[in-house]
Amino acid sequence: KQEVTQIPAALSVPEGENLVLNCSFTDSAIYNLQWFRQDPGKGLTSLLLIQSSQREQTSGRLNASLDKSSGRSTLYIAASQPGDSATYLCAVTNAGGTSYGKLTFGQGTILTVHP
Amino acid sequence: DAGVIQSPRHEVTEMGQEVTLRCKPISGHDYLFWYRQTMMRGLELLIYFNNNVPIDDSGMPEDRFSAKMPNASFSTLKIQPSEPRDSAVYFCASTSGGVGANVLTFGAGSRLTVL
Repeated sequence: KQEVTQIPAALSVPEGENLVLNCSFTDSAIYNLQWFRQDPGKGLTSLLLIQSSQREQTSGRLNASLDKSSGRSTLYIAASQPGDSATYLCAVTNAGGTSYGKLTFGQGTILTVHP
Repeated sequence: DAGVIQSPRHEVTEMGQEVTLRCKPISGHDYLFWYRQTMMRGLELLIYFNNNVPIDDSGMPEDRFSAKMPNASFSTLKIQPSEPRDSAVYFCASTSGGVGANVLTFGAGSRLTVL
C-alpha cells in the first residue's frame, strides 16, 4: 500500500527566505507526482506536476524535483512571501496493483511566512 | 470554464438524515474523483469514475455511502443515514487524458457537519 509522508509538518519562516518542503513515498511505481497548495477553507490548487520520467519542474519561484528510485520529492520555494502561507500537499498517482490510478496524498506541510 | 463546481458549500444536518452532495466536472474531462478530507486521516479517495462508469469504489467507507454519475456533467455522493463521524470536507475533482496524464482540478469542497 502506497504511503506518502511529508516533512516538516509545519514550517514558519521570515519573508525572503528560500525553503524546501520534503515528500517521500514508499512505492516507486507511480505515474506522476503533484504538489498542491490549499488555503484555509478552500480547495486544492495544483502547483506542479512531474511525470515519472521527469526529474524536475519549475514554475516561477517554485521548483519541484523527483527522485523516483529513492521515493523522494522536494518543493523548493525561492524568496518566500507572506502570500505563500498555506498548506502544501504532495500526492502520487499510483501505477501498480490495486492502487492503480489512485492519487495518494501526504498529510501536508503548513507553511507560514511572516513579514 | 468555471472549474469544478460543488454544491452545497456547507451542510449541517442531524444524525440519521440523508445527505446529497453534488458535483459538476469540467466540460470534456472524462475522469471524476470524490475525496474526503479530515484532520485525522487527511485526504482519502472514496471513488472514481471514467466515462461515467465507477472504476474503483474501494475507498467508500461502508454501505451508507453511494455515488452516481448519470451523465458526463453531473455526479452525486449520497450518505444515508448520516453519522457524526461523516463530518468532513468532501472534494470532487476531474481530469482528462487518462489516469496520471494530466493535472487534477479540484472543486472548492462541501463541508459537511453531522450533529
